[in-house]
Amino acid sequence: VQLVESGGGVVQPGRSLRLSCAATGFIFSSNAMSWVRQAPGKGLEWVALISYDGTNKYYADFVKGRFTISRDNSKNTLYLQMNGLRPEDTAVYHCAKDNWGPEYWGQGTVVTVSS
Amino acid sequence: EVVMTQSPLSLPVTLGQPASISCRSSQSLLYSDGNTYLNWFQQRPGQSPRRLIYNVSNRDSGVPDRFSGSGSGTDFTLKISRVEAEDVGVYYCMQGTHWPFTFGPGTKVDVK
Repeated sequence: VQLVESGGGVVQPGRSLRLSCAATGFIFSSNAMSWVRQAPGKGLEWVALISYDGTNKYYADFVKGRFTISRDNSKNTLYLQMNGLRPEDTAVYHCAKDNWGPEYWGQGTVVTVSS
Repeated sequence: EVVMTQSPLSLPVTLGQPASISCRSSQSLLYSDGNTYLNWFQQRPGQSPRRLIYNVSNRDSGVPDRFSGSGSGTDFTLKISRVEAEDVGVYYCMQGTHWPFTFGPGTKVDVK
């Protein structure tokens, strides 16, 4: 199993960013996928989960209405569209293969929200 | 949302000795399907998290058998039978029963 995140960077407050997670080594279309973040020096925060077929999506309260999780099973890729970014969204964002919880994790991509 | 608490938040350990971390949830984690979706994760310094335990007591592939999980309802425990140097890091519990999923604050394990 390999999960490689990309798309992070430095962005101004209020702007948008789209993260991607390329998955290999397992049947992507059969597995739910998650995003989890970790602010600098802080603990883990669950962000969102999408079902194997994209039908069901669930979000943490702090990102509802701003972030959208999606997937393209033909490309084995998971996405996180982040709008209305705030300084408190600064974190390393990890994607994870879900199996009774986040089973395998990527190395993460860094998002910094700063003016 | 379900609030997860852990104790202690810092755990100095002696190599070769046992260690135990407690995790409590503000609501029962027993799901209607009979499963209890409580996970434990290890995060070594500078690394991504690694899952150790799922559904309270099931070890993930490759996890040493010195790690064990137990508990039910709202009270859960992660035990390390004999701490090794590679076990240093932060340990998190996470509930996957109620939306949104939530993590505990983490317990930092280091050597005395």
